[in-house]
Amino acid sequence: DGGITQSPKYLFRKEGQNVTLSCEQNLNHDAMYWYRQDPGQGLRLIYYSQIVNDFQKGDIAEGYSVSREKKESFPLTVTSAQKNPTAFYLCATSQTSLGTDTQYFGPGTRLTVL
Amino acid sequence: SQQGEEDPQALSIQEGENATMNCSYKTSINNLQWYRQNSGRGLVHLILIRSNEREKHSGRLRVTLDTSKKSSSLLITASRAADTASYFCATDQTGANNLFFGTGTRLTVIP
Repeated sequence: DGGITQSPKYLFRKEGQNVTLSCEQNLNHDAMYWYRQDPGQGLRLIYYSQIVNDFQKGDIAEGYSVSREKKESFPLTVTSAQKNPTAFYLCATSQTSLGTDTQYFGPGTRLTVL
Repeated sequence: SQQGEEDPQALSIQEGENATMNCSYKTSINNLQWYRQNSGRGLVHLILIRSNEREKHSGRLRVTLDTSKKSSSLLITASRAADTASYFCATDQTGANNLFFGTGTRLTVIP
C-alpha cells in the first residue's frame, strides 16, 4: 500500500447525502484510478485520470464524480444519484496510463449507506 | 463483460501443496498481470506476462499464457498459510487505456 493513502478507512453515510473519498499519492505517478469492489466480486472501474486536469469515465461512472486538480490527489464523490453505493472503494496509481504499467493500490475505503 | 474470469472461484489446500488457478479472457491483449488481495486490503502486483511470452517465473510463482486459448494460469508451489488471499488476473486489452480485472480466486491454505 506504500505511497498511497485513502481516507477514511470506514465511512458511513445516510441515504441522500453526498460523500467524498480521499486518495493521495506521493509516488509521482501520472495516472490514478478509482475502482469499486462488491463482496466476492472483482474490481470495476469508476473513473480514471491519465494526467492532471483530465479524467475519463470507466465502466460504472453513473452517480460518481471526480476531480484531478493536483497530481497527488484524486478525490471521488459518491453522490445521492448512486443507487447502491455500499461497497469497498479502491484507489490505484500507475506511473503512466500504459496498460503495461503495474498498478499500485491504496488500502481502500469501505462505504456503508445506512 | 470485458472482465476475465478466474477458475476456480474458491480453492482450499493443505500447506505444502501446489495451488493452480486459471484465468480466461475474451479479447486480444498486450499483457496479463496477476494481483493478490488480502481480505479487506488493497491489491498487490505479483507478476506480469507479455503477450509474446509463454511462461514466467518469480520465486514460488509460475505463470503461463496461452493466447490461442485466451487463458493464463498461476501456479503457487509449496504453498504457505500466508498465501491465503484472493488472486486476480488483469488484462491490458488492445486499444484500451486501463486494466480489466477478473472476478478472482479465493485461496485458503490450511496449516
